[in-house]
Amino acid sequence: QKEVEQDPGPLSVPEGAIVSLNCTYSNSAFQYFMWYRQYSRKGPELLMYTYSSGNKEDGRFTAQVDKSSKYISLFIRDSQPSDSATYLCATKGSSASKIIFGSGTRLSIRP
Amino acid sequence: DGGITQSPKYLFRKEGQNVTLSCEQNLNHDAMYWYRQDPGQGLRLIYYSQIVNDFQKGDIAEGYSVSREKKESFPLTVTSAQKNPTAFYLCASSARTGTGTLNTEAFFGQGTRLTVV
Repeated sequence: QKEVEQDPGPLSVPEGAIVSLNCTYSNSAFQYFMWYRQYSRKGPELLMYTYSSGNKEDGRFTAQVDKSSKYISLFIRDSQPSDSATYLCATKGSSASKIIFGSGTRLSIRP
Repeated sequence: DGGITQSPKYLFRKEGQNVTLSCEQNLNHDAMYWYRQDPGQGLRLIYYSQIVNDFQKGDIAEGYSVSREKKESFPLTVTSAQKNPTAFYLCASSARTGTGTLNTEAFFGQGTRLTVV
């Protein structure tokens, strides 16, 4: 079993829709949670970073962590064609420096 | 500007050659990482370092080597022992966990695309 599972997609939605991207993880020691956006042939760009459970909002993006079910989500409101990219979730524990990534979800926003 | 610089952007390697990918950061981060990404795949960890003169193998370290002589630099050598080196290589850095900061998110360079010819 992978430590972080992520549906690879592809996911295609119309412009303006709300997008929900999700990951599950297996290790209850994970405390830090990150979402990255990666355009083709580019390095991943950090979108959201949260510590422990709860919600964090930044503009059109909301990150949600539910540690009881080991489930992390990224919501994108009013999606735009420029949001079309691969989205990667990542996590790590409080005592380790190693960062574990999901396999990424490819998202396409149709104009 | 603070950031992570990877060079070169594109690199071509002949069979049997060793090549070294450069990664430099000016974010004053203790921890640095090397990942490999194959087409349509996620990131797989090759090596990581939490502090100068220390590094650990990741999930796919065979055929690779690293050094960490300076805080700012974490070069990766792809040796001839790596049988399938064609991939996109990504370097990242972060503050070290356990130093009292919660800001331990990782920041990435723009990658090096290595092709065997």
